[in-house]
Amino acid sequence: DIQMTQFPSSLSASVGDRVTITCRASQGISNYLAWFQQKPGEAPKSLIYSASRLQSGVPSRFGASGSGTDFTLTISSLQPEDFATYYCQQYNTYPLSFGGGTKVEI
Amino acid sequence: EVQLVESGGGLAQPGRSLRLSCTSSGFNFGDYAMSWVRQAPGKGLEWVGFIKSKARGGTTEYAASVKGRFSISRDDSKSVAYLQMNSLKTEDTAVYYCARDRLIYYFESGNSYDYYYIDVWGKGTTVTVSS
Repeated sequence: DIQMTQFPSSLSASVGDRVTITCRASQGISNYLAWFQQKPGEAPKSLIYSASRLQSGVPSRFGASGSGTDFTLTISSLQPEDFATYYCQQYNTYPLSFGGGTKVEI
Repeated sequence: EVQLVESGGGLAQPGRSLRLSCTSSGFNFGDYAMSWVRQAPGKGLEWVGFIKSKARGGTTEYAASVKGRFSISRDDSKSVAYLQMNSLKTEDTAVYYCARDRLIYYFESGNSYDYYYIDVWGKGTTVTVSS
């Protein structure tokens, strides 16, 4: 099974900061990686698919890159509504797997 | 508007069964694969399983933690996906989300390769397994 490791597990940031979250796969997954955002008490929201492609309606301050085993999600200028937990997920191989999450807080 | 609404959650005793439903609207349900993802209290997301569209074979995949106990099915005439949960354990306590999957495929050497990513989520339904 493919293990997904995210780091950091949490980070503190301020509005306007540039934030980068890293996700590493235990084996190569090409670009079959998605990113999700989840706010407390809410369902996850899809942000990114195919490692770097924004889902419809996602603000352009979100960017992502990577291929193989190493991936990053970047928020170029953190906004108040971006404080949330972010998860990566590989969909290259079954069983699919999520990273442990990165909590972005003030 | 695309919507997914889960139902059927509640309290169940260990060893008992529960069936969750995911009712969809706003899109042609039969064209899409559907996934189930769960989240235990205070924990991260865990992929449970998924079912392909009938056009792509209607096959299913499951996480090891639920394989043999849970099964996913679909009724395209009602635009509903189901998660049948048998032999429930206390560790199955979680919020269960259904999600719509988008397909990416390509052909190579005469073979078709399918990959599915989630684009839409339901709001979830809570399952508590306790005696």
